[in-house]
Amino acid sequence: DAMVIQNPRYQVTQFGKPVTLSCSQTLNHNVMYWYQQKSSQAPKLLFHYYDKDFNNEADTPDNFQSRRPNTSFCFLDIRSPGLGDAAMYLCATRDDQGGRTQYFGPGTRLLVL
Amino acid sequence: DQQVKQNSPSLSVQEGRISILNCDYTNSMFDYFLWYKKYPAEGPTFLISISSIKDKNEDGRFTVFLNKSAKHLSLHIVPSQPGDSAVYFCAVGYEKLTFGTGTRLTIIP
Repeated sequence: DAMVIQNPRYQVTQFGKPVTLSCSQTLNHNVMYWYQQKSSQAPKLLFHYYDKDFNNEADTPDNFQSRRPNTSFCFLDIRSPGLGDAAMYLCATRDDQGGRTQYFGPGTRLLVL
Repeated sequence: DQQVKQNSPSLSVQEGRISILNCDYTNSMFDYFLWYKKYPAEGPTFLISISSIKDKNEDGRFTVFLNKSAKHLSLHIVPSQPGDSAVYFCAVGYEKLTFGTGTRLTIIP
């Protein structure tokens, strides 16, 4: 089945220690998104790639970076995680040619100690 | 400033009855609206969508209604089943989605 995969599902890191979350997709969608969702809050868009073009949201902290080495993979790097960065991180994809719906992966829950 | 609001954080409905989830938005320029369902420890799953040229869209037990003048969106689930127990998010937008804060639906057997 075509899908969006996120690894790991749970990640524990230490305060200030860089961490990378990964997302891969078999849907061959050209648009990929990263969202942050904190408890009882709405998912919040951090940035997205339209093909290789990176689009950062104005209020996304510089601490958050992203890489998309090819169509299938996208990474979220948190350079110096703080306690406030503990959240669920969701990856989503969309086929710009085929529709307007975003399809989400299962998420990575990040815990910062 | 919340552009998308789901004012009911939780809703309980008897199995077999109708569940109605509501969503309000502020920006009349929004033209595409979606509902997602989320189970614990999973990502949101797309349920149903509607564009602003329609006022109703049905898919099996799920129907979404759009009232553009009131800037109001609702999701009807009938009949409700225990597997429908989840958090439901409305989302608006196209290139980028803006989500509501979700409504936790509990179906009581």
